[in-house]
Amino acid sequence: DAKTTQPPSMDCAEGRAANLPCNHSTISGNEYVYWYRQIHSQGPQYIIHGLKNNETNEMASLIITEDRKSSTLILPHATLRDTAVYYCIVRVANAGGTSYGKLTFGQGTILTVHP
Amino acid sequence: GAVVSQHPSWVICKSGTSVKIECRSLDFQATTMFWYRQFPKQSLMLMATSNEGSKATYEQGVEKDKFLINHASLTLSTLTVTSAHPEDSSFYICSAREGRQPRNEQFFGPGTRLTVL
Repeated sequence: DAKTTQPPSMDCAEGRAANLPCNHSTISGNEYVYWYRQIHSQGPQYIIHGLKNNETNEMASLIITEDRKSSTLILPHATLRDTAVYYCIVRVANAGGTSYGKLTFGQGTILTVHP
Repeated sequence: GAVVSQHPSWVICKSGTSVKIECRSLDFQATTMFWYRQFPKQSLMLMATSNEGSKATYEQGVEKDKFLINHASLTLSTLTVTSAHPEDSSFYICSAREGRQPRNEQFFGPGTRLTVL
């Protein structure tokens, strides 16, 4: 699976949009971009995923560049409860090889939302 | 989203004993389940992948005889840490996915904190 690069930490003011970048310049055509977050001492929570089109759900929006080498997760109105580690992961979408369907976590971005 | 539960949420045991952790998918059938381990201030590390009715596939460096995984039904997987030692103290997290398609969402349990004295 392709490796991702994220900034180690970011700050955001409560009520403002949080834009979390992710670089995945070696992504393959059959790999999806996934975002998860982990609040302290809890299991990761699924946020959103996409292949090449921008995606939006009740939690966030995912913007993927046309060349698919980077993406941005947008939390439109950050709250204090959004403080967490955010993981950007690329994962193969097709069966085959030893990396079938595995989610491999990097170090993620620690997002701190402050009042 | 789908719900995955783990039991117990935390456990303290003596060195040399075995500990069993249960992972259940509450509202869907989990064809595939994953076990992760997370040490303090580190990211999640995948330990093994199990498909219902099959033997688990372990990641490199994970001792399969020490970390026994059973996925006997579509809603239950267990991880047994045999002869636990203090270095096995960690946060163990299970994850479940419905169906075999990698693009299917994968849901995580709340984790089990294991402390070996």
